[in-house]
Amino acid sequence: GDSVTQMEGPVTLSEEAFLTINCTYTATGYPSLFWYVQYPGEGLQLLLKATKADDKGSNKGFEATYRKETTSFHLEKGSVQVSDSAVYFCALSEATGNQFYFGTGTSLTVIP
Amino acid sequence: NAGVMQNPRHLVRRRGQEARLRCSPMKGHSHVYWYRQLPEEGLKFMVYLQKENIIDESGMPKERFSAEFPKEGPSILRIQQVVRGDSAAYFCASSPTAQRNQPQHFGDGTRLSIL
Repeated sequence: GDSVTQMEGPVTLSEEAFLTINCTYTATGYPSLFWYVQYPGEGLQLLLKATKADDKGSNKGFEATYRKETTSFHLEKGSVQVSDSAVYFCALSEATGNQFYFGTGTSLTVIP
Repeated sequence: NAGVMQNPRHLVRRRGQEARLRCSPMKGHSHVYWYRQLPEEGLKFMVYLQKENIIDESGMPKERFSAEFPKEGPSILRIQQVVRGDSAAYFCASSPTAQRNQPQHFGDGTRLSIL
């Protein structure tokens, strides 16, 4: 079945460092891919999405490119801020059916 | 515009009691999804509903759990005879359509604690 595998955390970075959080997926067909962010005590917020191969999703300085050849959707940011500290979830929406599949989340802490 | 509203935010129950979790989707959204998040884990799909219909309940435990989304009012996730293992955060999400490229919009969750 469809699934998402995410880089394990926690990740600790200094402010202005480069961020990469790896995400790979297994799916039949052509899923849509998403990154969500969860701040403490809150629900998940959509960060960015890509719906077809080679699409690049971007928002708030974060980017991820839908790579069908490597079945990946890695999240990157060139310069992280303290306010980026949160848990990041990679997710896919299957090509047929209704389910979203989430990775286990990667906790990011950015220190000043 | 109000987002997905879940209540209560925190719910404490003793073993054997019933827990009712409510979810009002975003305005204009008729598709509701429930997820469970255990500590240090990702979200696990439980059930997908449209108004008055359960579309996919493949993630729901076979016993004690039920969900509904009536014509009027919020969606309800009901857990009967709760046990310690039911302690988790329960999230509701909604979307305007069932198209696969539509993101789901999440509420802030209900954190259920079983004493």
